[in-house]
Amino acid sequence: AQSVTQLGSHVSVSEGALVLLRCNYSSSVPPYLFWYVQYPNQGLQLLLKYTSAATLVKGINGFEAEFKKSETSFHLTKPSAHMSDAAEYFCAVRGLGNEKLTFGTGTRLTIIP
Amino acid sequence: DTAVSQTPKYLVTQMGNDKSIKCEQNLGHDTMYWYKQDSKKFLKIMFSYNNKELIINETVPNRFSPKSPDKAHLNLHINSLELGDSAVYFCASSRPRGDEAFFGQGTRLTVV
Repeated sequence: AQSVTQLGSHVSVSEGALVLLRCNYSSSVPPYLFWYVQYPNQGLQLLLKYTSAATLVKGINGFEAEFKKSETSFHLTKPSAHMSDAAEYFCAVRGLGNEKLTFGTGTRLTIIP
Repeated sequence: DTAVSQTPKYLVTQMGNDKSIKCEQNLGHDTMYWYKQDSKKFLKIMFSYNNKELIINETVPNRFSPKSPDKAHLNLHINSLELGDSAVYFCASSRPRGDEAFFGQGTRLTVV
């Protein structure tokens, strides 16, 4: 079975600072990994996905994530935080041949002016 | 055009009532889902349909019954609503295995 663990339910960074949101996965088969963002009262929007091509994945809004098999990690980063990045971020995993997308518990990102 | 649309966006109802949430996708996807997001933002899959066939049915009370009249629609009917059913329900769709899911805007259900 696949699962993901997001470390830190709340992360606060200053505007212009580095954003780092942590995600570790557990999967018995090569996983597909995703980061989604949820703005208040909205649905989930895909930021980026890893599907076994390049290990460094670039997404929308300046976000990127690196797949590290040795560390079973897929951390999300952005070099410079913007006020509009304040939202809830979810890491998700799907195993090959598995229809189910399993989410982590989410990390609320707050940007300090 | 909205890719995955749900109606209604908000639903307030009394305990014991029966209600339905509708979902439609215009992406041509074969697979559709219902997810429940609780007050702590935790997202849990409830059901998944592939081309109108039920393929995932998590541990969900029998009061919840999905219906897929065609592969572009997946509705959720809830009988005898309870206070604990209050949550945000998301519909989603995807291409087969390994691809990302596209989510609707959610339906906030409040049972009073």
